[in-house]
Amino acid sequence: DAGVIQSPRHEVTEMGQEVTLRCKPISGHNSLFWYRQTMMRGLELLIYFNNNVPIDDSGMPEDRFSAKMPNASFSTLKIQPSEPRDSAVYFCASSLSGVEQYFGPGTRLTVT
Amino acid sequence: EDQVTQSPEALRLQEGESSSLNCSYTVSGLRGLFWYRQDPGKGPEFLFTLYSAGEEKEKERLKATLTKKESFLHITAPKPEDSATYLCAVTIQGAQKLVFGQGTRLTINP
Repeated sequence: DAGVIQSPRHEVTEMGQEVTLRCKPISGHNSLFWYRQTMMRGLELLIYFNNNVPIDDSGMPEDRFSAKMPNASFSTLKIQPSEPRDSAVYFCASSLSGVEQYFGPGTRLTVT
Repeated sequence: EDQVTQSPEALRLQEGESSSLNCSYTVSGLRGLFWYRQDPGKGPEFLFTLYSAGEEKEKERLKATLTKKESFLHITAPKPEDSATYLCAVTIQGAQKLVFGQGTRLTINP
């Protein structure tokens, strides 16, 4: 199994630009999670989906962030417009029925 | 508010020197407690899930235990390759979100 796949692995962009992060969950998993990791705040849940439906988006910082899951094998996290304080490592994780979550390698985002 | 606190923040040991990492939690209704290992530049790697007080799980040199208020990750005769950040997380009844602690950065010197 290839595990959770994320792209790109690194993204450097200028303030105000749109950023799209992508995730392919483990085949057969029905829950998908987006996390953000920073030195100051650690790992924080942004949003999660069950069977492609958003369940809890209370961790999404503000309206500049949006996430979609058009099908069981693909999800995106979009930031528009991006700001320097969005710089972090963004992880996608998937699970079967929300028990053990398996994480991808992350996308390191730098907004200048 | 659900809270997870890990201690110490960092721990440096000599190879073969056993020790324990602590994870204390305050939650409204524990569904499960999880331990993850994270290497630099990588995503967290799942280690254990514990569901009830008294439960223990083992994997190689690691053993995780759970009480009603805290969990311990015991590491026996560690090797340099055990160096990593160890993260503790909890989920509560009726939810799937993981609430993470800040982690313990473990360094094993040869």
